[in-house]
Amino acid sequence: QVQMVESGGGVVQPGRSLRLSCAASGFTFSSYGMHWVRQAPGKGLEWVAVVWYDGSKKYHADSVKDRFTISRDNSKNTLYLQMNSLRVEDTAVYYCARELEHSSSWYLGYWGQGTLVTVSS
Amino acid sequence: SSGLTQDPAVSVALGQTVRITCQGDSLRSYYVSWYQQKPGQAPVLVIYGKNNRPSGIPDRLSGSSSGNTASLTITGAQAEDEADYYCNSRDSSGKHWGVEFGGGTKLTVL
Repeated sequence: QVQMVESGGGVVQPGRSLRLSCAASGFTFSSYGMHWVRQAPGKGLEWVAVVWYDGSKKYHADSVKDRFTISRDNSKNTLYLQMNSLRVEDTAVYYCARELEHSSSWYLGYWGQGTLVTVSS
Repeated sequence: SSGLTQDPAVSVALGQTVRITCQGDSLRSYYVSWYQQKPGQAPVLVIYGKNNRPSGIPDRLSGSSSGNTASLTITGAQAEDEADYYCNSRDSSGKHWGVEFGGGTKLTVL
């Protein structure tokens, strides 16, 4: 069955960096676009970034542009989010999510359980 | 702030019908998808496209759209439908490709 497991979260000071990983299994990873979505404590969902199935295109939300970078390694079935210059307001649970079908874009059919990132001094 | 607007909270009596709405300019061009999220859990896709349900989603949940408003309707609400519901769609406001979520609606089943 489709499974995604996020890792790499933790407590980090403002201005520092962190890299999240999302290990995927149970499907042909290289056939699907992948997203990161975050949720601050007690708040709603916020889209963070997407990478096309083949890595050819990447887009980031304005709130993280120039600080966060999404990437993928299809040989390792793994999605990444490199987070630099972290701010207190980046504190959230970060979910990786897979598009429901190839090129279904924003229909996020499968989600990991999330990893908590806390930015605090 | 989100370009998709949802009512923060809605309530429904057990067994009755409730409609949760999502408004935004992008909905004139793109379909929405709807997600159900229960406390401590990851979101679950419940409706996508014109009115499609992933496997395992009960048919009492349905979707519709008109103009700049999309709706998620639960016909015969059950206790297990109590959750937060989010809409999302393609963000048509920016220069680059993006996705936007609504602020979410907390559904209470009385």
